[in-house]
Amino acid sequence: EAGVTQSPTHLIKTRGQQATLRCSPISGHTSVYWYQQALGLGLQFLLWYDEGEERNRGNFPPRFSGRQFPNYSSELNVNALELEDSALYLCASSEGQGGADTQYFGPGTRLTVL
Amino acid sequence: QKEVEQDPGPLSVPEGAIVSLNCTYSNSAFQYFMWYRQYSRKGPELLMYTYSSGNKEDGRFTAQVDKSSKYISLFIRDSQPSDSATYLCAMWGGSTLGRLYFGRGTQLTVWP
Repeated sequence: EAGVTQSPTHLIKTRGQQATLRCSPISGHTSVYWYQQALGLGLQFLLWYDEGEERNRGNFPPRFSGRQFPNYSSELNVNALELEDSALYLCASSEGQGGADTQYFGPGTRLTVL
Repeated sequence: QKEVEQDPGPLSVPEGAIVSLNCTYSNSAFQYFMWYRQYSRKGPELLMYTYSSGNKEDGRFTAQVDKSSKYISLFIRDSQPSDSATYLCAMWGGSTLGRLYFGRGTQLTVWP
């Protein structure tokens, strides 16, 4: 069974640009979560989508947004990139609603903002 | 105060040692406790999953939860170089909190 996939693997942008990151969950999983992992800061929760709806949002500015498509894949958009947005962005998926279900992580997208 | 505190290390031990990794937390609503392992340049993978207080054992790994002290531990017996990774604790407090809370992760190196 295929795991969670993310694209691209690496992304290099300049300050002020927009970045789009993509995630495909495990087949049968309806929930998708996005996390930011900056050096030394651990996993910071960004967004949780389930059945196409945003269920919860972490403490990030509105320029971080996303959506979930009918096939449960998801997109994370970061507008007006800042240098401190450089991080590993991880996507996870789970079968049902809520974090009590095991979350399976993808390999991440490394975003570098110059 | 952060919801979950975890010493980032780094922790370096010889092969065969017993490793103890710990997290403390402040929110008594947390009910489910997890340990994830993250190898370099990879996403985290679930290692252990426990509910409420008590112990859970899986091979060389033992997870302990003490809700009265708001303290969780992961023990690794007979540690191997392949255990070298970052270990993250995570906690879930139900739909009211609506998300997992992660510790910063502890970087572990097991040398031969």
